[in-house]
Amino acid sequence: KAGVTQTPRYLIKTRGQQVTLSCSPISGHRSVSWYQQTPGQGLQFLFEYFSETQRNKGNFPGRFSGRQFSNSRSEMNVSTLELGDSALYLCACSYRGTGETQYFGPGTRLLVL
Amino acid sequence: GIQVEQSPPDLILQEGANSTLRCNFSDSVNNLQWFHQNPWGQLINLFYIPSGTKQNGRLSATTVATERYSLLYISSSQTTDSGVYFCAVSGNTPLVFGKGTRLSVIA
Repeated sequence: KAGVTQTPRYLIKTRGQQVTLSCSPISGHRSVSWYQQTPGQGLQFLFEYFSETQRNKGNFPGRFSGRQFSNSRSEMNVSTLELGDSALYLCACSYRGTGETQYFGPGTRLLVL
Repeated sequence: GIQVEQSPPDLILQEGANSTLRCNFSDSVNNLQWFHQNPWGQLINLFYIPSGTKQNGRLSATTVATERYSLLYISSSQTTDSGVYFCAVSGNTPLVFGKGTRLSVIA
């Protein structure tokens, strides 16, 4: 079966702009989580969606938001980009939630100039 | 929240050598996974192992939940094993990742 896909794979933006990243989970997987990876902070949880509802949220400012559609595809949005938002953004999916095996996508590498 | 510590932070091996990576966690968990992050950033799931022992080829893992640690064994290492190995845990919460072990296997 097809794996987790993320688009775009690479993105360059300037400070103050906004960006939308997309994640399509494995078919049948209804839980989608987003993580930010930076050299300084490592892998940090952003939020989790299940059946179009945000179920958990990490400790990130309100500039970071997300949503999930009825087909389980998820998007995350970052508004008013800052230099520190440069990171690898990874999404993970599973059937029901974070208590089971998580499958990660290839990530979107965002560079903010 | 749950704390995850991985050791060693860096490891350099000669091809063919064996290694053991350790993951300590601070609270009971219902999910523990080992991942390998390749040079392109993809996290590849190695094991889902909240308890017990599993083996997959040259890799095996053991989690002793009562003592709050997990071990990842790599035998007969190959250059393709290079990368960063992450342990991640969850206790009815989102996954919490350790800082990883960076493995370099040299020919």
